[in-house]
Amino acid sequence: KQEVTQIPAALSVPEGENLVLNCSFTDSAIYNLQWFRQDPGKGLTSLLLIQSSQREQTSGRLNASLDKSSGRSTLYIAASQPGDSATYLCAVILITGNQFYFGTGTSLTVIP
Amino acid sequence: GAGVSQTPSNKVTEKGKYVELRCDPISGHTALYWYRQSLGQGPEFLIYFQGTGAADDSGLPNDRFFAVRPEGSVSTLKIQRTERGDSAVYLCASSLSGGPVDEQFFGPGTRLTVL
Repeated sequence: KQEVTQIPAALSVPEGENLVLNCSFTDSAIYNLQWFRQDPGKGLTSLLLIQSSQREQTSGRLNASLDKSSGRSTLYIAASQPGDSATYLCAVILITGNQFYFGTGTSLTVIP
Repeated sequence: GAGVSQTPSNKVTEKGKYVELRCDPISGHTALYWYRQSLGQGPEFLIYFQGTGAADDSGLPNDRFFAVRPEGSVSTLKIQRTERGDSAVYLCASSLSGGPVDEQFFGPGTRLTVL
């Protein structure tokens, strides 16, 4: 069974800092990896999707990398803002499957 | 509608009661997924529909949980004899045709509280 782990579980940083969130997965036979944002009491907002053949994706201040062979992905957030405060979830889909396997998330607080 | 919608947004029930949670997928999406997110955890897969049929129900925790999608659009997740451990946010997602190729779009979830 695919296991997805996210480190750290919680992170608090001052506004303006650059930060890195980590995600690791046990089964490298993934089709793609996706990073989501979840605000309290809300659903999931897709941030970045990386196909297994890709190494990274960028959107604005966000950059996600993927190293499939080592089972790792990182989400880099540049120049953090208080509005970035949320829980960030990493999820993978296997080549053979349909369902997402999610990590437990990293709760980010950006202090003004 | 423009996105996936779920009703109700919140549901409070008593232990032992029956509940139904509804999901309206994006129009034209043939694939529909249910996930459950317990407090402090990531979402966990429950069931996947392709059209009207359940293509994969391996995530349903026990026979108290059942889901239907009779016309290949709206889906209802049904929980019998609810237990306090069923308290969670139930998320629905849909995708155009299913499989790993298509992006899944998530609804806002239904927060179920079993007292």
